[in-house]
Amino acid sequence: EVQLAESGGGLVQPGGSLRLSCAASGFALSGFSMYWVRQAPGKGLESISFITSGSYTTHYADSVKGRFTISRDNAKNSLFLQMNGLRVEDTAVYYCVRDLRGDCMGGSCYPGYWGQGTLVTVPS
Amino acid sequence: QSALTQPPSASGSPGQSVTISCTGTSSDVGGYNYVSWYQQHPGKAPKLIIYDVTKRPSGVPDRFSGSKSDNTASLTVSGLQAEDEADYYCSSYAGGNLGVFGGGTKLTV
Repeated sequence: EVQLAESGGGLVQPGGSLRLSCAASGFALSGFSMYWVRQAPGKGLESISFITSGSYTTHYADSVKGRFTISRDNAKNSLFLQMNGLRVEDTAVYYCVRDLRGDCMGGSCYPGYWGQGTLVTVPS
Repeated sequence: QSALTQPPSASGSPGQSVTISCTGTSSDVGGYNYVSWYQQHPGKAPKLIIYDVTKRPSGVPDRFSGSKSDNTASLTVSGLQAEDEADYYCSSYAGGNLGVFGGGTKLTV
């Protein structure tokens, strides 16, 4: 069974940093592209970052580009999101998500398996 | 990339069918056959229920179906059941690998 467990969320002051982790089990992380998707309280979904299986390609939403960095350690079956320069508008539940089918590029990429999320709060 | 447009709410009675629309542009929905739909119950993580416009992942009931015409994609839920009450989000490829989501539709049964 595919399982994804996020950790590292919490309360952080504006301008601060957090590092989110995602422990994957039930499958070999090395075979799959991965995503971070966030959801602000009471709002919709926003895909913010993507990484291919071998870390060769990464993508970021404009809203986090230059502040967030996605990385992975396939040997430890772990995905990470380093968040710097946090803003009030970064307050959200952050989901670690595995691609539906494997390593992917372009339109065939689908966030298919989701963790339960970790809450990041940046107070005003 | 602008968000796709969904109606904020939809409703139907048990046993009925309901269709939720998702309108984009020729740069996303209309330009590719890469539309997906997600179901999210309150306090839970989203679940992928449709991909490649019409395909269902293993385990998703065939009461859920997807379609697309020009710049508008649609999700139809047939034979509505109480457990179908949830938020539904569409998503489309729009270049890059992140995709773009709709604003979500709250389905009331």
